[in-house]
Amino acid sequence: ELKVEQNPLFLSMQEGKNYTIYCNYSTTSDRLYWYRQDPGKSLESLFVLLSNGAVKQEGRLMASLDTKARLSTLHITAAVHDLSATYFCAAGSGGSEKLVFGKGTKLTVNP
Amino acid sequence: GAVVSQHPSWVICKSGTSVKIECRSLDFQATTMFWYRQFPKQSLMLMATSNEGSKATYEQGVEKDKFLINHASLTLSTLTVTSAHPEDSSFYICSVPGQGSSPLHFGNGTRLTVT
Repeated sequence: ELKVEQNPLFLSMQEGKNYTIYCNYSTTSDRLYWYRQDPGKSLESLFVLLSNGAVKQEGRLMASLDTKARLSTLHITAAVHDLSATYFCAAGSGGSEKLVFGKGTKLTVNP
Repeated sequence: GAVVSQHPSWVICKSGTSVKIECRSLDFQATTMFWYRQFPKQSLMLMATSNEGSKATYEQGVEKDKFLINHASLTLSTLTVTSAHPEDSSFYICSVPGQGSSPLHFGNGTRLTVT
């Protein structure tokens, strides 16, 4: 059974600082996703990672995937207040379209 | 523009009544749709997979007689919460698979409050 663990679950950081959110998964996965959720809203897709060593960047966010370590990271560079949200990673495996979500990381960026 | 339309956005109902939530795929046909539930400050939990032309597949612990799913067409799936109780109050989100390995497209969610 595929399980996904994220840490930290809560992250409070100052503007301008860097930090990394970690996402571990338990069994082989062939795709890893990062989503953002603002309070009271649905999920917005950020990144799709499909292969070992994949790295994708969008603005101040960069996601990477290490399939051998079963680990994905979401790195935040020079955080700004607008990045405050909850970030979820999700993994899928095999031919199933189902995704298993991590518990989410609530990020608060303080001025 | 939106790929998935979910309606209503929020609903308040009394205990014992039933509530229907609609999920429409706007841009393409979807033989499969997913229904998730999210309690406050928690992650998304998959409730069931809605299959066009056949019965829905429910996740362990989800009562199929309470959460009725009907995949009426290739663009519409509905979730009916029957005999709702306050503990059913939650944020319900539907999603449609993208093409290939594309990410799931999520509806805007339905906030259900049962009084």
